[in-house]
Amino acid sequence: DQQVKQNSPSLSVQEGRISILNCDYTNSMFDYFLWYKKYPAEGPTFLISISSIKDKNEDGRFTVFLNKSAKHLSLHIVPSQPGDSAVYFCAASARSGGSNYKLTFGKGTLLTVNP
Amino acid sequence: SAVISQKPSRDICQRGTSLTIQCQVDSQVTMMFWYRQQPGQSLTLIATANQGSEATYESGFVIDKFPISRPNLTFSTLTVSNMSPEDSSIYLCSVLAGVYEQFFGPGTRLTVL
Repeated sequence: DQQVKQNSPSLSVQEGRISILNCDYTNSMFDYFLWYKKYPAEGPTFLISISSIKDKNEDGRFTVFLNKSAKHLSLHIVPSQPGDSAVYFCAASARSGGSNYKLTFGKGTLLTVNP
Repeated sequence: SAVISQKPSRDICQRGTSLTIQCQVDSQVTMMFWYRQQPGQSLTLIATANQGSEATYESGFVIDKFPISRPNLTFSTLTVSNMSPEDSSIYLCSVLAGVYEQFFGPGTRLTVL
């Protein structure tokens, strides 16, 4: 049973437009969420995170929104650039309960930004 | 952020053999982790590598199959033992940097024939 789900395997957007990547989770113990970007033949690169006490966190072109009641988070990239083309992974952590540092990942969404 | 390297970057191995993957970090870190990404799947935590003690394995992973060493605060190895084609995956090490963020190495792409 997958606890972190990214239901869109791929997304294609035009350069300059907004990219919205979605992630749903089922484990109510998750209280910290992260987004990673992965280029081919490289390891995942940390992008942005959010604690469950917040509903929004912004860092430059990247904003993550968290809707706890819906167990849903999204990553917004504005404006999208061709260099943003990569696989984006959503990850979650349950900081209490003795598994503070374990990350549970979704399967990823391949974002393609077209020039 | 920590700079993490892994060796080898890729390998093709025969069924029944073992492969040891090395992970080197450019600074001392308390916690190191080993993940596996099977084709088309998400990253799955294999174990947490603890310095000076045995690794802590996740459900579904055992020490006999994935022995781990952590001799110091900058280095760890993961061995994939008695390999089968089902072990074909990308293996990644990561380190805890920041509060809960993990930084990943470039990965080792393993193909088992």
